[in-house]
Amino acid sequence: RKEVEQDPGPFNVPEGATVAFNCTYSNSASQSFFWYRQDCRKEPKLLMSVYSSGNEDGRFTAQLNRASQYISLLIRDSKLSDSATYLCVVQAGTLTFGKGTMLLVSP
Amino acid sequence: ETGVTQTPRHLVMGMTNKKSLKCEQHLGHNAMYWYKQSAKKPLELMFVYSLEERVENNSVPSRFSPECPNSSHLFLHLHTLQPEDSALYLCASSQERGAGRLDYGYTFGSGTRLTVV
Repeated sequence: RKEVEQDPGPFNVPEGATVAFNCTYSNSASQSFFWYRQDCRKEPKLLMSVYSSGNEDGRFTAQLNRASQYISLLIRDSKLSDSATYLCVVQAGTLTFGKGTMLLVSP
Repeated sequence: ETGVTQTPRHLVMGMTNKKSLKCEQHLGHNAMYWYKQSAKKPLELMFVYSLEERVENNSVPSRFSPECPNSSHLFLHLHTLQPEDSALYLCASSQERGAGRLDYGYTFGSGTRLTVV
């Protein structure tokens, strides 16, 4: 079983759509959780941390379910500039990355 | 100046060459990492340095040799690489807190795109 598993993608959505990314992790001892964004041929950048209570940052909402070992990211009113690969990241010691899910937002 | 700087940005080397990748962080972090990113694979952790001590080596072949002379600098020395080592090599840094918990994840450099011919 993969340590961090994400939807394979890509997701193709029109501008203004709502899109949800799902992620599961295998290590129940994981301590911290993040979503990173990686643009083509660029480095990953932290999008947001994920907390058990759920957290929101503008159009982005992240949820964590420790019992199910499941993390989600919801993007509302998607913009062209949201096109990127979204990486689910889990920390148990060091960070472990999922393969990422590519999002393509079209006009 | 960006938080984590990597040089060179691109590198092409032959299988018999010796080269080094350099990483410098200006964030005052106490941990640094080397990751490898190959096409269609998740980022793979290679080495971890905490307070200049190597604390993790994820079964990386000896043709990759890390060096951390101080808390701001990290090198990856390369020799006799293989074509399958061609990848994006990313350096990252973080500030470890109590019990190793991270609140802010890692900050990555822009990476070195390595091609072995």
